[in-house]
Amino acid sequence: AQTVTQSQPEMSVQEAETVTLSCTYDTSESDYYLFWYKQPPSRQMILVIRQEAYKQQNATENRFSVNFQKAAKSFSLKISDSQLGDAAMYFCAYRSANYGGSQGNLIFGKGTKLSVKP
Amino acid sequence: GAGVSQSPSNKVTEKGKDVELRCDPISGHTALYWYRQSLGQGLEFLIYFQGNSAPDKSGLPSDRFSAERTGGSVSTLTIQRTQQEDSAVYLCASSLRARVDSPLHFGNGTRLTVT
Repeated sequence: AQTVTQSQPEMSVQEAETVTLSCTYDTSESDYYLFWYKQPPSRQMILVIRQEAYKQQNATENRFSVNFQKAAKSFSLKISDSQLGDAAMYFCAYRSANYGGSQGNLIFGKGTKLSVKP
Repeated sequence: GAGVSQSPSNKVTEKGKDVELRCDPISGHTALYWYRQSLGQGLEFLIYFQGNSAPDKSGLPSDRFSAERTGGSVSTLTIQRTQQEDSAVYLCASSLRARVDSPLHFGNGTRLTVT
């Protein structure tokens, strides 16, 4: 079974600085998707960025980028120019690309709480 | 259009009572998911509906939990004989289709407290 591990329960960053959140995963599959979700106090999960495993190029969305190391099964999130609104829980998630079975099942890590200091 | 809507936002119930949690997905979304988020934990998959297919119930923790989706739209998650360990935030999500590249849109969840 696939697992997702986020080893940093909490992180802190100064406003305008850069922070990297770690995520590792375990799978025997070769085709899958990886996601980072943000959960502010409103509880709504918001998709930040996603990466297809078959793509070697790291995904980028404005100030958010990932460092995807497939062989190492590592998927870290870098937030540049941190803003106060970035403060939230961040969850790494894995989704199998195999059709059939629990294809809809997102497997989440336990999250990293990010604080942004003014 | 409107996002995924969940009700109630918060629910406090006594141990042993039954509760119903409602999810109204985005119009036109064929796939619907329920997750449970316990304090300090990630999201735990509960159940998944796709169109008229039989739901994937593999994540339901016990037979006290059940869910249905009427008319391919609104879904209700029912917990019978609630226990204190059922206290958690229950999140619903929908996606346009059950393709792996179709993003999930989440609601704000229902915080369930069992006293």
